[in-house]
Amino acid sequence: SQQGEEDPQALSIQEGENATMNCSYKTSINNLQWYRQNSGRGLVHLILIRSNEREKHSGRLRVTLDTSKKSSSLLITASQAADTASYFCATWTGGFKTIFGAGTRLFVKA
Amino acid sequence: GAGVSQSPSNKVTEKGKDVELRCDPISGHTALYWYRQSLGQGLEFLIYFQGNSAPDKSGLPSDRFSAERTGGSVSTLTIQRTQQEDSAVYLCASSFIAGGETQYFGPGTRLLVL
Repeated sequence: SQQGEEDPQALSIQEGENATMNCSYKTSINNLQWYRQNSGRGLVHLILIRSNEREKHSGRLRVTLDTSKKSSSLLITASQAADTASYFCATWTGGFKTIFGAGTRLFVKA
Repeated sequence: GAGVSQSPSNKVTEKGKDVELRCDPISGHTALYWYRQSLGQGLEFLIYFQGNSAPDKSGLPSDRFSAERTGGSVSTLTIQRTQQEDSAVYLCASSFIAGGETQYFGPGTRLLVL
């Protein structure tokens, strides 16, 4: 497996439900970021969580980080059709490179 | 202020032709990244610039790929003798400095090689 793998690969839920996506990584990180991509175009940054942080919130988004398990989760509460997108985690282990996972495709049915 | 822009938005070319993809980063961002994304896949790192320097070119898929950045601003990614497997979306991103910072992405260039 590679650094930064999202799970599940795809998720389909009803509008109003919560969506949870997970990211696992292999080596120790300095920070982890979540990005959203609509329609295969540019990615939009959602949240950055540092290795010494355990939880961060931004609107309907909640990100947790468990460095002992080398995993992070992204929770979207009260999902909306507009949340339909692909979500990527990106890990930074130092140096210049941030490594992106393969993404979770979220489909929110109206 | 303006975000990251890329041109062209779409490019259709014939196998064997050369193509140039352009990226205009956010003003003041010293780091610039190029990624490739095949249909339904994640991002494949190609190259990054800190200023005008590209310290690591190991992500470039072959010697047909090259990139340059001038004036610490605009970057061009050139693909020579394009092949069908080069078809993908090419994404550019910039950040204030290289390494772990939030990256701001352009809309991408969708390249189709016939």
